Amino acid sequence: GENVGLHLPTLSVQEGDNSIINCAYSNSASDYFIWYKQESGKGPQFIIDIRSNMDKRQGQRVTVLLNKTVKHLSLQIAATQPGDSAVYFCADISSGSARQLTFGSGTQLTVLP
Amino acid sequence: DVKVTQSSRYLVKRTGEKVFLECVQDMDHENMFWYRQDPGLGLRLIYFSYDVKMKEKGDIPEGYSVSREKKERFSLILESASTNQTSMYLCASSSSHRAVRGEQFFGPGTRLTVL
Repeated sequence: GENVGLHLPTLSVQEGDNSIINCAYSNSASDYFIWYKQESGKGPQFIIDIRSNMDKRQGQRVTVLLNKTVKHLSLQIAATQPGDSAVYFCADISSGSARQLTFGSGTQLTVLP
Repeated sequence: DVKVTQSSRYLVKRTGEKVFLECVQDMDHENMFWYRQDPGLGLRLIYFSYDVKMKEKGDIPEGYSVSREKKERFSLILESASTNQTSMYLCASSSSHRAVRGEQFFGPGTRLTVL
């Protein structure tokens, strides 16, 4: 069965607003949670990861929050830009899964002018 | 920058044909992966490899095989293509260090259509 990635399929935001992309997971044994971005016509690109013993991690314009109590992961993008339009996937990697990623179904983010 | 290249961007084959998809990475990564991507299903792992001549089944290996004769090259083989194998195929690679965190580098994908 699927361990991660119950996404809303689409999300539209105004340019300059903050975006929040959500993901639910079911596997409590996950070691890391990861966000990938896939632009049209390209392969997925790693954005940021968070270890399961952390609640929050920040990168450049992005923040990932992990709520283990409700098994929820979110990616926040500050000041969303047209170049942020893409499909965003959450994924997890579990202890013992030997580097095997499990991807969710993805959320299509559209940035409106 | 890591570069992962795939032999074709678009491929059209007929049912029953043998199909080879090639992937090459230039960063001396130990791990290589083949996924297929279908609308609404995300990426699903077909096969992966930790080292030369090593392979492990992923979640959906049926109908596929792989070959890794050299560290930089990982091939996906469809022994007898079927229409339900029409999909986007993505290759990825990762170093052992980065693989622990789930960081993989993807190629641009091959869109395969089986008629």
